[in-house]
Amino acid sequence: EAQVTQNPRYLITVTGKKLTVTCSQNMNHEYMSWYRQDPGLGLRQIYYSMNVEVTDKGDVPEGYKVSRKEKRNFPLILESPSPNQTSLYFCASSPIRGNTEAFFGQGTRLTVV
Amino acid sequence: GDSVTQMEGPVTLSEEAFLTINCTYTATGYPSLFWYVQYPGEGLQLLLKATKADDKGSNKGFEATYRKETTSFHLEKGSVQVSDSAVYFCALVGDYGGSQGNLIFGKGTKLSVKP
Repeated sequence: EAQVTQNPRYLITVTGKKLTVTCSQNMNHEYMSWYRQDPGLGLRQIYYSMNVEVTDKGDVPEGYKVSRKEKRNFPLILESPSPNQTSLYFCASSPIRGNTEAFFGQGTRLTVV
Repeated sequence: GDSVTQMEGPVTLSEEAFLTINCTYTATGYPSLFWYVQYPGEGLQLLLKATKADDKGSNKGFEATYRKETTSFHLEKGSVQVSDSAVYFCALVGDYGGSQGNLIFGKGTKLSVKP
């Protein structure tokens, strides 16, 4: 089954404790991205990657890192999480960047206390 | 920069009512337009799309027409069901500028359909 898999689905952590949210897709897509969803703000792009070893900032990249060492994986790293990073996070992939369908993971609800 | 504005929710309707969710956009050039739907506890999934002016996207009884003259892409359904309860996002992919190729979303409209 074609899918985007994120882990974990739920995470509660403390301020400053490094964490990684994993994202994996099995569709051989070149383009992957991370979004955060907040009430009243919709989805905002954090980082995106057009292919292996090619990443770039989205609209809200501060406090986040990403890497793309393999085509299928695109982890999101929070080196020192803060409470304002409490949010619902989505990973997405699509065949290429542009007007093609994006496939989303089920989301990771992160709470930083 | 490119942006999408959609009507604020929540929207509450009775089953079999007519649905319209308004969406307007600002973009340079000729963006592609999308509606995504998010069911409770799930990720977003594509509902329909249109890639050029006057195109009509349709799926599952939902329709939206790309109107360049009014920069709009309103979502409509003639008769909603309880199972349509979800959050609906209008989005665009621009073809110019820094957002070129990236999805830009509206804030979402929550729809609740009562039996």
